Amino acid sequence: QVQLQESGPGLVKPSETLSLTCTVSGGSITSYFWSWIRQPPGKGLEWIGYVYYSGSTKYNPSLKGLVSISVDTPKNQFSLKLHSATAADTAVYYCARSRGHTSVPYYYGLDVWGQGIGVTVSS
Amino acid sequence: EIVLTQSPGTLSLSPGERATLSCRASQSVGGTSLAWYQQKPGQAPRLLIYAASNRATGVPDRLSGSGSGTDFTLTISRLEPEDFAVYYCQQYGSSPYTFGQGTKLEIK
Repeated sequence: QVQLQESGPGLVKPSETLSLTCTVSGGSITSYFWSWIRQPPGKGLEWIGYVYYSGSTKYNPSLKGLVSISVDTPKNQFSLKLHSATAADTAVYYCARSRGHTSVPYYYGLDVWGQGIGVTVSS
Repeated sequence: EIVLTQSPGTLSLSPGERATLSCRASQSVGGTSLAWYQQKPGQAPRLLIYAASNRATGVPDRLSGSGSGTDFTLTISRLEPEDFAVYYCQQYGSSPYTFGQGTKLEIK
């Protein structure tokens, strides 16, 4: 079955760029929406954004244009970049998959999740 | 931005009892564009319900979802030990696709 695996540095310095990759195995990246969600320590879930396999994107405006998500179809990977990181970006970051229907990207919900990767922003 | 408010914050029940979790939206999510997730400590969330009332693959039928517009409910008819966890709702009718703050279902 399809599995997702996040990878990237666990420690990022303030003002630097937080960069994570999600590798999709056991299935194709085609025809799905690929998302990033984060969870600060002891808190709830925050939606970051998604990329469609074609490359179109949608982001949470609360991240003030500092986020970008891209897809690499030949490698079956998609990536997150969060610029100018601060301590408030310390969280567990999850990647997840959804299948759209009738122009609703998450119609069938986020049905496959990675295990999550902890990222700390600190000097 | 649509704000989702989940209630109660914590629900203390015993195995075998019925659990009713609420998710209320600050404005209509546009029909049934809402999902429910379960999260256990140290684990990723797991999809339970999509489009308000459709069970995801492998979800037992003692879990059910209902509602539309602004008011949604997740019901667990007879609690099993594995049901004690945190539950989140998420709306995807309007970007940003926000989550509720969660309801913790704990053993009484």
